[in-house]
Amino acid sequence: DVVMTQSPLSLPVTLGQPASISCSSSQSLVHSDGNTYLDWFQQRPGQSPRRLIYKVSNRDSGVPDRFSGNGSGTDFTLRISRVEAGDVGLYYCMQGRYWPYTFGQGTKLEIK
Amino acid sequence: EVQLVESGGALVQPGGSLRLSCTASGFTFSSHWMYWVRQAPGKGLVCVSGLNRDGSITRNADSVKGRFTVSRDNAKNTLYLQMNSLRTEDTAVYYCVRDVGYSVDYWGQGTLVTVSS
Repeated sequence: DVVMTQSPLSLPVTLGQPASISCSSSQSLVHSDGNTYLDWFQQRPGQSPRRLIYKVSNRDSGVPDRFSGNGSGTDFTLRISRVEAGDVGLYYCMQGRYWPYTFGQGTKLEIK
Repeated sequence: EVQLVESGGALVQPGGSLRLSCTASGFTFSSHWMYWVRQAPGKGLVCVSGLNRDGSITRNADSVKGRFTVSRDNAKNTLYLQMNSLRTEDTAVYYCVRDVGYSVDYWGQGTLVTVSS
């Protein structure tokens, strides 16, 4: 299985400050169709995961433009430009290039 | 509005069986692969079983092969997960998830399976 490694695993952030989460994969996530299948999910406390970003950098409908994703090949980053209280929770990267889809360990974002 | 509603979670003894259901609405169910993803208490997300549009192709993680069977009834817009020979390590919230081609987008609210004596 493709191993997804996130860092940091804990991310204390001051309100209004930026935050960044890294994700690396054990294999390239580039498909022969030219797409790179790397997504980001947010899981608020007590809720189901919600997809924020798909194919590295595409925001889902309703996701604030404070959230952005970039990267290529095996290394990817999720950035939040200004953290708000509602951003608290767990963030996961997920690769969809190979079965089984696999997730990173999760990064816990909290407010300092 | 896309909705996925799981049911069937319960407390079961090791070695026991359970069947989970997921009822879908708000989209053409038969047009999508569907998956079950689980999350053990305080742990991360693991994709355990998947099924293609007509139910003819299944995918299972090694940890559940030979014990879990995924199926669907497109006439009832329902996905199932038959879980046999349950182990304590199967304790988790089980989510029903919609595939959109190399990605998943909508998740249900989850149903809790607890395997304990």
